Amino acid sequence: DAGITQSPRHKVTETGTPVTLRCHQTENHRYMYWYRQDPGHGLRLIHYSYGVKDTDKGEVSDGYSVSRSKTEDFLLTLESATSSQTSVYFCAISLRRTSGGDRETQYFGPGTRLLVL
Amino acid sequence: GENVEQHPSTLSVQEGDSAVIKCTYSDSASNYFPWYKQELGKRPQLIIDIRSNVGEKKDQRIAVTLNKTAKHFSLHITETQPEDSAVYFCAASGRSSNTGKLIFGQGTTLQVKP
Repeated sequence: DAGITQSPRHKVTETGTPVTLRCHQTENHRYMYWYRQDPGHGLRLIHYSYGVKDTDKGEVSDGYSVSRSKTEDFLLTLESATSSQTSVYFCAISLRRTSGGDRETQYFGPGTRLLVL
Repeated sequence: GENVEQHPSTLSVQEGDSAVIKCTYSDSASNYFPWYKQELGKRPQLIIDIRSNVGEKKDQRIAVTLNKTAKHFSLHITETQPEDSAVYFCAASGRSSNTGKLIFGQGTTLQVKP
């Protein structure tokens, strides 16, 4: 599982409340990603990080922010949750398989199921 | 923008038959193409991948083929078994490959009937 954990694993919240999801990795990977998964849409990238304090937007970043203050933790925040943000959220890391080689192989965390009422 | 189209969205086969899932990508700069399998309630798991300098790769009952000219790649599963039932996702590396970004297809739900 590439040493990736996510917390919480399940959360129910109300519209308008802030929510923070945590992704934690133990193997010092530089690249981390947040996806959301919805039926018919596959996996869509929300934000990603390429190092401490280095983050960038993905294709569905509106309504989300991220922070990475240390290598092992990548936080996803829903500033004011909406029902359209009900989804399953996956964190992923890139595992460099050869020295100086590819960065693209991604391994996923167990996911967080978020329900916004 | 970058896009990956995956077909079919659902596929039902008899145990022992072959299954083929096809993906088309838009960015000619893409050079890495992984396939993931996701069982119900679980995380996506990498099952096979291919790079643009290779046309075909096999691993036991699964194989992936790549046609760079046509910008499409396919997953082939032979001698399907009920445990192959899952959702399969293809992906292609994004334009800025130094960020490791992947663009995913919409997924194919494969059902293998005993």
